[in-house]
Amino acid sequence: QKEVEQDPGPLSVPEGAIVSLNCTYSNSAFQYFMWYRQYSRKGPELLMYTYSSGNKEDGRFTAQVDKSSKYISLFIRDSQPSDSATYLCAMSEGDLQGGKLIFGQGTELSVKP
Amino acid sequence: ETGVTQSPTHLIKTRGQQVTLRCSSQSGHNTVSWYQQALGQGPQFIFQYYREEENGRGNFPPRFSGLQFPNYSSELNVNALELDDSALYLCASSLPQSGVLGYTFGSGTRLTVV
Repeated sequence: QKEVEQDPGPLSVPEGAIVSLNCTYSNSAFQYFMWYRQYSRKGPELLMYTYSSGNKEDGRFTAQVDKSSKYISLFIRDSQPSDSATYLCAMSEGDLQGGKLIFGQGTELSVKP
Repeated sequence: ETGVTQSPTHLIKTRGQQVTLRCSSQSGHNTVSWYQQALGQGPQFIFQYYREEENGRGNFPPRFSGLQFPNYSSELNVNALELDDSALYLCASSLPQSGVLGYTFGSGTRLTVV
């Protein structure tokens, strides 16, 4: 079993839709929970992060962490064609592990105009 | 210069050959991490360098090795290439105090092994 599981999609939605992306994990020592966005032929860029449990909102994006269920989510409201990319969840125990990130498989999202 | 620069952008090698990939860190960043991203997969941690010393390694065989130079640039070397080594290789630089939240990724080197 992988430490981090993410539905690879692909996911296709119409412009304006609400998108829900999810990951599950098995390592209870994870403290940092991140979402990266990766455009084609580019490296991942950090979109949002949460330390420990809880919710975080940034504009159209909301990240949720449920440590009791080992489940994290990213919601995108009013999705735009420019949101079309691969979304990667990533987790880390923190700096004691040398800053290692464990990534999910990535979900390819396409937002149609 | 800002951002992380990787070279070359694309590379084709034959099975059994050796390859060196290069990374220039973002200005001021003294920690470099390397990741392998196979097609359709998330990146996998190879190793990290801090002040020219290896500072953590993932589940990769010894034929994957690295170097970090005094100017914080870095190299990833892979010996005895296998077909499964075909992937996008990503370099990320950071400052130790920013930890996992401070990664800046380069655009990667696409390696194809034939």
